[in-house]
Amino acid sequence: GENVEQHPSTLSVQEGDSAVIKCTYSDSASNYFPWYKQELGKRPQLIIDIRSNVGEKKDQRIAVTLNKTAKHFSLHITETQPEDSAVYFCAASRNTGNQFYFGTGTSLTVIP
Amino acid sequence: GAGVSQSPRYKVAKRGQDVALRCDPISGHVSLFWYQQALGQGPEFLTYFQNEAQLDKSGLPSDRFFAERPEGSVSTLKIQRTQQEDSAVYLCASSLFTGTSYNEQFFGPGTRLTVL
Repeated sequence: GENVEQHPSTLSVQEGDSAVIKCTYSDSASNYFPWYKQELGKRPQLIIDIRSNVGEKKDQRIAVTLNKTAKHFSLHITETQPEDSAVYFCAASRNTGNQFYFGTGTSLTVIP
Repeated sequence: GAGVSQSPRYKVAKRGQDVALRCDPISGHVSLFWYQQALGQGPEFLTYFQNEAQLDKSGLPSDRFFAERPEGSVSTLKIQRTQQEDSAVYLCASSLFTGTSYNEQFFGPGTRLTVL
């Protein structure tokens, strides 16, 4: 089965700085890579996703990059704000089956 | 529109009790997933339905766990003879399509199960 590893497990940045979270996956058949943000006690919410036919995707301050050859993908948050503080999960999925394999999460703290 | 809802939000059970957790997916969503999220960990896949058919139950940790979706909408996850290691948040997610490239899953708020 798929194995997704995520680093770092905790990350503290000053407000306005950038944050980068990295994930690797093992199953070369995985072709969909979502990122979820989970605030304390809340449900995971999709913030950005990328499909395997794309190398990079941006949405305002958030970007995701994918390297299929190396089987890794990264989340980049620029100009961080205190409200970005949360736990971020990466995941990998195939089209068929559709279940997500999640990383272990990164707790991001943005210091005002 | 309404998102995925789950009930109860919190459940405390004594060891050995049976529990039933309910998920109401977004109307019209074909696929429904159950995940288990232990404290400080990412969600782990339990089982998956496409309409009323349970297509994958490979993630269920033991035969004490059972899930159903008899009419292809509401789903129930049942845990028999609960053990302390079953304590976790149980998340339900639904998605509109299956077998296509559109895989976004919408999560419910979860049920936090505590087994004493």
